[in-house]
Amino acid sequence: DAGVIQSPRHEVTEMGQEVTLRCKPISGHNSLFWYRQTMMRGLELLIYFNNNVPIDDSGMPEDRFSAKMPNASFSTLKIQPSEPRDSAVYFCASSLTGRFSGANVLTFGAGSRLTVL
Amino acid sequence: GQQLNQSPQSMFIQEGEDVSMNCTSSSIFNTWLWYKQDPGEGPVLLIALYKAGELTSNGRLTAQFGITRKDSFLNISASIPSDVGIYFCAGQLGGSARQLTFGSGTQLTVLP
Repeated sequence: DAGVIQSPRHEVTEMGQEVTLRCKPISGHNSLFWYRQTMMRGLELLIYFNNNVPIDDSGMPEDRFSAKMPNASFSTLKIQPSEPRDSAVYFCASSLTGRFSGANVLTFGAGSRLTVL
Repeated sequence: GQQLNQSPQSMFIQEGEDVSMNCTSSSIFNTWLWYKQDPGEGPVLLIALYKAGELTSNGRLTAQFGITRKDSFLNISASIPSDVGIYFCAGQLGGSARQLTFGSGTQLTVLP
């Protein structure tokens, strides 16, 4: 298995531009998570999907952030317009929900490092 | 919400030394997880603990789920340079990874 695939790995953009981050979860996993990592705040959960449906988006910082999961193998996190304080590493993670050994354990992608100038 | 206190924040050790780090919580958890993050990569699961008192090893790594369910520790024996990275504990209360709380991480540096 190729694991969780994220793109781009690095993005540098100017304030006000739209940013789209992409994620392909592990095949067969039914839960997908977007996290943001910064030095100040550590790992923060932004949004959680189960079976492609957004279940909890309470961690999304503001309306400039949106996330979609059109099918089981693809999700996007969009920031529009971007601001310098959005600079961070954004991680996508997936898991298989269940009551068996190994269930509900997150597998992370390599992350997308975003710099907004 | 639940808070995890992870310590130490950073460690500098000599190659070959043993390392110990821990996490404590004000609330109980049903699962404790330990992740390692290499520079420029995402966290990778090292050990998962599912029962209070459980002691689990993975090579040179040993982790325990505290009997009170409010703490966990991770030991690394005979450290090597590739152990460098950030180690995160994570506690999970319910049956969903959505209910995962991460510690702030321990930055480990191994000196040759």
